[in-house]
This record gives sequence, structure tokens and C-alpha cells, in this order.
Amino acid sequence: EIVMTQSPATLSVSPGEGATLSCRASQSINNNLAWYQHKAGQAPRLLIYGASTRATGIPDRFIGSGSGTEFTLAISSLQSEDFAIYYCQHFDGRPPWAFGQGTNVDIK
Amino acid sequence: EVRLVESGGDLVQPGGSLRLSCAASGFIFSDSWMTWVRQAPGRGLEWVATINHAGNEIYYLDSVKDRFTISRDNAKNSLYLQMESLRAEDTGLYYCARGFHWFDYWGQGILLTVSS
Repeated sequence: EIVMTQSPATLSVSPGEGATLSCRASQSINNNLAWYQHKAGQAPRLLIYGASTRATGIPDRFIGSGSGTEFTLAISSLQSEDFAIYYCQHFDGRPPWAFGQGTNVDIK
Repeated sequence: EVRLVESGGDLVQPGGSLRLSCAASGFIFSDSWMTWVRQAPGRGLEWVATINHAGNEIYYLDSVKDRFTISRDNAKNSLYLQMESLRAEDTGLYYCARGFHWFDYWGQGILLTVSS
């Protein structure tokens, strides 16, 4: 089964700065990757699918890239509402799907 | 507006059973793959099970296979998760979500606690 590994576990960022989150797959998943934002007490929110396609209503400061085993979510100029936990998830082939363990983006 | 509302969470003893429900509205439920995802306390998201629109193609996480059953009633716009032989490690927030590959709408989650 495919294992997803995210880094770093925690990223401390000042508002207005950019952030780069990484996600690695244990084997190639082509571009079959999604990113989610999750805040405590709220439903997770789909940000990116197909490694780089923004979901409906997602601001263009969220940029997904990568293919194969290495993926990145870049967030430019963090806003207050962007501080959250971010998960990657693969969907290559057939289930089971796996999420990464998450990166907590907090305020520096 | 798309809405997914989970219900049925409870405190259950190890070995017990429970059924979670998810009421869907705001989209054509009978055309949609649906999925359950869970989150154990202090842990990340974990995919649990997925069902196709007709209910005849189903996938499970290995650790819940033979204990959990995902099902749906398209006439009632509802998704279910029947859980048997519950274990402490099944404790967590259970989310219902729309989709097969990726999940574009999620409920708020419902809490299952397995403890004696």
C-alpha cells in the first residue's frame, strides 16, 4: 500500500509571508493527489486535486505542484484564515486511499 | 447548497455495534460516490470506506473489512456505516464526504467513542 509522508510536521509563519508544504508518496502516484485544509471543529476543505487543479472557490494564492512521488503546496502571503492543518491524499489506482499525517501551519 | 449531516454517534463498549447515518442535500445524491473518513483523537485523517452511486461497488480499509458495512438509500438521500465488533482504536470523529478519488464536500463529523 502507498504511504504518504508530509513535511514539516509544523510550520510557523508570519501573516503575509509564504509557506511551502511537502508531500511524498512511497511510490509513484502520477498526479493523483489532493490537498485539504482542516480547522478544528470544521469540515475539511478540498483545496487541490490532480496535484495542481484548484477546487471551486479556492484563492489563487494556493498553488499545487509535483508529480510522481514529490508534491508541494505553496501558499503565498498567508492570511489569518489560512492557519490550519493541511493534508495530502493520494488516489492512484483503486482504494485504499491514504492521507499524509498533516502539516500544521501556525502563526509565528 | 450542499449539506452533509452525520448522526448516530455515541459511546459504545468494546465489541459493541453502532450505525452512523449521513443525510445529504443540495446535490444529486444518486449520481454520487460517497465516502466515510475518520479522525482518531490527536491523529490525522484516515479513509475508511467508499461506495458507488448504485451501491454495488464498495471499498474498505483493511482494518475495518468484515466489521464495517457501508450502504446507501438513494430514495432517502442517505449514507450509512454499520459498525460491528467495535474496538478502542475505532474511536474518533467520522466524516461523510462526497466523492471517490477526492472529496469535495464534507460533513461536520460525528463522534464515536469506544470505551468500557
